[in-house]
Amino acid sequence: DVQMTQSPSNLAASPGESVSINCKASKSISKYLAWYQQKPGKANKLLIYSGSTLQSGTPSRFSGSGSGTDFTLTIRNLEPEDFGLYYCQQHNEYPFTFGSGTKLEIK
Amino acid sequence: QIQLVQSGPELKKPGESVKISCKASGYTFTDYAMHWVKQAPGKGLKWMGWINTYTGKPTYADDFKGRFVFSLEASASTANLQISNLKNEDTATYFCARSGVYYGLFEYWGQGVMVTVSS
Repeated sequence: DVQMTQSPSNLAASPGESVSINCKASKSISKYLAWYQQKPGKANKLLIYSGSTLQSGTPSRFSGSGSGTDFTLTIRNLEPEDFGLYYCQQHNEYPFTFGSGTKLEIK
Repeated sequence: QIQLVQSGPELKKPGESVKISCKASGYTFTDYAMHWVKQAPGKGLKWMGWINTYTGKPTYADDFKGRFVFSLEASASTANLQISNLKNEDTATYFCARSGVYYGLFEYWGQGVMVTVSS
């Protein structure tokens, strides 16, 4: 199975700042990496797939980069609604696996 | 709009069974695969497997072979997850999630069903 190592586990930032979350795969997954947002009381939301393709409706302040084994989610100019949990997931091969999550909190 | 609406929370005893439903609306049910994802309390997401909504063929991740069954009521645009012989470690929130442009992508999610197994 492809192991996904996500860092950091926790992140604190203020509205208006920029943050980056990293995800490392245990072997090459080409470009096939997705990012999801999880917030209490809301359905999980697909933000980015195939490394850098924004899902319809994802604000342009979100961006994804990387290929092979190393990927990054960057959120610029943080908005209050961006705080929550973020997960990466490889969608290259069975079984589909997730990172352990990053909790983005308001500083 | 596309929605996946799951059934309500469940409280079960060890050894019992539970069936969770996921009703889809807003798209043609048989056009997209349906996945199931487990989240234990305070833990991350774990993919359980998926079901081909056109053929009804399920595929299970290794950790979910044996006691877990994916099924369909295609006429009702509903996917089901049944867990038998429940164990304490089955206590979790279970999500259904519809595939996207890639079948391993989870484009739309249900709200999740909390299953608590306790004697």
